[in-house]
Amino acid sequence: NAGVTQTPKFRVLKTGQSMTLLCAQDMNHEYMYWYRQDPGMGLRLIHYSVGEGTTAKGEVPDGYNVSRLKKQNFLLGLESAAPSQTSVYFCASSFSTQATNEKLFFGSGTQLSVL
Amino acid sequence: LAKTTQPISMDSYEGQEVNITCSHNNIATNDYITWYQQFPSQGPRFIIQGYKTKVTNEVASLFIPADRKSSTLSLPRVSLSDTAVYYCLVGINAGNNRKLIWGLGTSLAVNP
Repeated sequence: NAGVTQTPKFRVLKTGQSMTLLCAQDMNHEYMYWYRQDPGMGLRLIHYSVGEGTTAKGEVPDGYNVSRLKKQNFLLGLESAAPSQTSVYFCASSFSTQATNEKLFFGSGTQLSVL
Repeated sequence: LAKTTQPISMDSYEGQEVNITCSHNNIATNDYITWYQQFPSQGPRFIIQGYKTKVTNEVASLFIPADRKSSTLSLPRVSLSDTAVYYCLVGINAGNNRKLIWGLGTSLAVNP
């Protein structure tokens, strides 16, 4: 089983460039999430989606946009990349965050460097 | 602000038992405690979950006291491959929604 797949795995951008990170899951999960992970900061939620066609802001949404046009895909966009967005980005999915015994399934991450 | 607290790092040797404790004073009444493991260049992966007392699976044990304000992940007889970051995760009630609170994790180094 593929689980959660993220593309690309690595990317280098120049300041001001744009890009889209793709996340795909094959577990029929309703909820999908985008996190960023920085040294000493742990995992911080950027945006999330509770179902197809819906998105919501997390802790650190500024500078990012997302779309969930299909249930299995969750896209994270950077319209004008900044060096502060250099990070490792993780996508995750789950049946529902509202279930108190919910488990998250993560992709392998995207290492993004903005020069 | 509700949060989880874990030691930043721990060192151990192969074959020893490792116990990592997480405090979560504001855990929601009906919420579970979940632990994840993260290797370098990989996303976190689920290892164990519990609500109260003790849970054991093929990888670890989880001990939760009656007040549920803390939990202890126990890794029996660790090997070099257990070197990873371990996260304790709980949910809190945020209005009508449940939010997940990630701690900073415990970096476990297993030495030969």
